[in-house]
Amino acid sequence: DVQMTQSPSSLSASVGDRVTITCRTSQTVSSNLNWYQQKPGKAPKLLIYTASNLQTGVPSRFSGSGSATHFTLTISSLQPEDFATYYCQQSYSTPGSTFGPGTKVEIK
Amino acid sequence: QLQLQESGPGLVKPSETLSLTCTVSGDSINGSPYYWGWIRQPPGKGLEWIGSLYYSGNTYYNSSLESRVSISVDTSKNQFSLKLTSVTAADTAVYYCAPAPVTGYYPVWGQGILVTVSS
Repeated sequence: DVQMTQSPSSLSASVGDRVTITCRTSQTVSSNLNWYQQKPGKAPKLLIYTASNLQTGVPSRFSGSGSATHFTLTISSLQPEDFATYYCQQSYSTPGSTFGPGTKVEIK
Repeated sequence: QLQLQESGPGLVKPSETLSLTCTVSGDSINGSPYYWGWIRQPPGKGLEWIGSLYYSGNTYYNSSLESRVSISVDTSKNQFSLKLTSVTAADTAVYYCAPAPVTGYYPVWGQGILVTVSS
């Protein structure tokens, strides 16, 4: 099974900050890495698919990059509505998939 | 517009079977090449893929749950269902249904249903 790690596990940031979250996989997943945002009590929301493609309707301040085993999600200018938990997901082994443990973005 | 809705009991006793249904609207389960999946999230924890049903009828399960899980489809009702046997408190979670195209990401999710395992 593909193991996932995310760093940091949590971070505190201010509105307007640039935020970067890292996801690493235990083996290559090519570009089959996706990012989700989850707010309390809500289902996850797809932000980025296949490493760098912005899902329709997602603000352009979100971007993704990486390949193989190392991926990043960047929020270029953090907005109040971006405080949430972010998960990466590998879909290289589709239909099986694995999610990262999550990164909680909190207000400084 | 594709929409999904989970339904089922919110409370299940230990050792019994958890049964949930996902009702799909806006598309036909057997008409589009999706993996119709179940994903769960224990309170305060991360997301775990449980299993998926391909539109052709094939099923795929997480190896850690394979001995206890089954997913089936009712095309006449445009629903797919999850059964998890011999539940314990560790199966307490919010259960989501979601479809994935062959590329494996989940663009649409149901709202989720909290299932608590307790006597």
